[in-house]
Amino acid sequence: GAVVSQHPSRVICKSGTSVKIECRSLDFQATTMFWYRQFPKQSLMLMATSNEGSKATYEQGVEKDKFLINHASLTLSTLTVTSAHPEDSSFYICSALKTGRPYNEQFFGPGTRLTVL
Amino acid sequence: RKEVEQDPGPFNVPEGATVAFNCTYSNSASQSFFWYRQDCRKEPKLLMSVYSSGNEDGRFTAQLNRASQYISLLIRDSKLSDSATYLCVVFKSGGSYIPTFGRGTSLIVHP
Repeated sequence: GAVVSQHPSRVICKSGTSVKIECRSLDFQATTMFWYRQFPKQSLMLMATSNEGSKATYEQGVEKDKFLINHASLTLSTLTVTSAHPEDSSFYICSALKTGRPYNEQFFGPGTRLTVL
Repeated sequence: RKEVEQDPGPFNVPEGATVAFNCTYSNSASQSFFWYRQDCRKEPKLLMSVYSSGNEDGRFTAQLNRASQYISLLIRDSKLSDSATYLCVVFKSGGSYIPTFGRGTSLIVHP
């Protein structure tokens, strides 16, 4: 399968600071990447769809000014959690969509565990 | 009604058992269907895609029933290593490829 990396894998920060998470597709180009958040014992919740060269599409209830997404190239999308607060502590996972036949497939990064103190 | 629904379980089964999970979806125009497996504190990994004709991969069989809008996953001869959360993923139609995840079904295989 294809490889998607995420960096950092774990981050601990103080309340009020901003945190940037990178998602890279290492061996394919991804026009579309997704950002998810997962709280303990809960399902993945799609936060936004990141499209290369255009603005991200945010899911209902996700603040676009708080979760800044930039998809500047076909292999890199970044999520910046601005002015992080303890309630933003979660497991953030990205995925990259690889188009092809017989179906499109999404490959997940290993996730970033964010802890805001 | 949620877009994608799964019984969260947990399903607690002995080694060697056969276990089946269902997942229902509400959008009749949904296009693509997958089962993913997620281990604790890890990212989801693709287990298998789901076709109307059904597909089988070793001990795993996936089926799609479009008329009733559900997909199923059957695991035969359960192994301890099958213990995980199984996520149903449905992609919306129209070329947007937006995935919707079910909350996952937890499987615990015990000796």
